[in-house]
Amino acid sequence: DAGVIQSPRHEVTEMGQEVTLRCKPISGHNSLFWYRQTMMRGLELLIYFNNNVPIDDSGMPEDRFSAKMPNASFSTLKIQPSEPRDSAVYFCASSSGTAAYEQYFGPGTRLTVT
Amino acid sequence: AQSVAQPEDQVNVAEGNPLTVKCTYSVSGNPYLFWYVQYPNRGLQFLLKYITGDNLVKGSYGFEAEFNKSQTSFHLKKPSALVSDSALYFCAVRDNNAGNMLTFGGGTRLMVKP
Repeated sequence: DAGVIQSPRHEVTEMGQEVTLRCKPISGHNSLFWYRQTMMRGLELLIYFNNNVPIDDSGMPEDRFSAKMPNASFSTLKIQPSEPRDSAVYFCASSSGTAAYEQYFGPGTRLTVT
Repeated sequence: AQSVAQPEDQVNVAEGNPLTVKCTYSVSGNPYLFWYVQYPNRGLQFLLKYITGDNLVKGSYGFEAEFNKSQTSFHLKKPSALVSDSALYFCAVRDNNAGNMLTFGGGTRLMVKP
């Protein structure tokens, strides 16, 4: 298996622009997670899907952030409009509910908003 | 609510010496406990987990962890550290009442010096 795939790996954009991050989970995994990692705040869970349905989005910072999972093999995290404080590494992870819940992380997308 | 504490921001150890990275947790039910490692510019990588059974769990790269219910701890250990073990280590816990979500600690940076 190719593991969790994220694109792009790096994104540089200007404040006010829309940013879309993409994730392909491991085939057969039914849970998907979006995290954000910064030096100041560490690793934060943004949103969690189970069977394509959002279960907990309490970590989404504000209305500028939205996430979708239209099918079992694809998810997006969108920021509109982006702000400099959104600069971070965004990770997608997936897990199987039948495998004792360890999560497998993608390589991350490093977002820089100028 | 579940929580994880990693009391040390950084652990320094000489190559060849044993290492311990500390983790304590708080959950309402039986814990599922995990350790992850993050190398620079990479996603988190699963190391080992405790679900039930033997309190000493063995994982990847020669790491092991000991579950101690009375002390609510799950410390990561390795008998002989390698320079290549230098990385950021995260402890995580799953509460049986919290679906598939994991709660991560703040991370501990391990520095192994030659």
